[in-house]
Amino acid sequence: GAGVSQSPSNKVTEKGKDVELRCDPISGHTALYWYRQSLGQGLEFLIYFQGNSAPDKSGLPSDRFSAERTGGSVSTLTIQRTQQEDSAVYLCASSFLDYQETQYFGPGTRLLVL
Amino acid sequence: SQQGEEDPQALSIQEGENATMNCSYKTSINNLQWYRQNSGRGLVHLILIRSNEREKHSGRLRVTLDTSKKSSSLLITASRAADTASYFCATARWGGADGLTFGKGTHLIIQP
Repeated sequence: GAGVSQSPSNKVTEKGKDVELRCDPISGHTALYWYRQSLGQGLEFLIYFQGNSAPDKSGLPSDRFSAERTGGSVSTLTIQRTQQEDSAVYLCASSFLDYQETQYFGPGTRLLVL
Repeated sequence: SQQGEEDPQALSIQEGENATMNCSYKTSINNLQWYRQNSGRGLVHLILIRSNEREKHSGRLRVTLDTSKKSSSLLITASRAADTASYFCATARWGGADGLTFGKGTHLIIQP
């Protein structure tokens, strides 16, 4: 595919369960970003992967959130022991080189924690 | 608080009219990007303007950037019903370690 893809599109889970969200960036893009969008907080940045460098995790909202990027391509965002306030749309984006370029967004994963 | 702040929060105009949205930000930036979002899902990139640029055009879109005032504007000319969406500005600071910082958006409604 030509664009950023994310899976699943929608996820409903029970409070306390773990969830894993996946992002496939545009082929050849070295930079990958995770954001989330919620009614109360708007669009907020979570984490940025630049090539194979270790990411700065300070944007993650709590230690229940973690993210990996394997082989410089696919990324997974994991939320452990989900809480109702984690309900949001999680968006992934990629850019060709780094933050100085256009970020292309995927369709998002809508997460609902019951 | 949000780095980018769009103004107005909502805008309703007649089809064929021009729509202007403004964005203000607080810190030094590398670039500013405008996005469109329909129905609360994926963000569609519209235009990127760098800190050393003052104006860019893309089709019916015109973006200006005034770094001295820390503000940008997005002009959509000859609006169409399909332009109905939320529009966000987003800023990238030098270094980029904190990603894009988004404003709360302007909800644009084009009345047929």
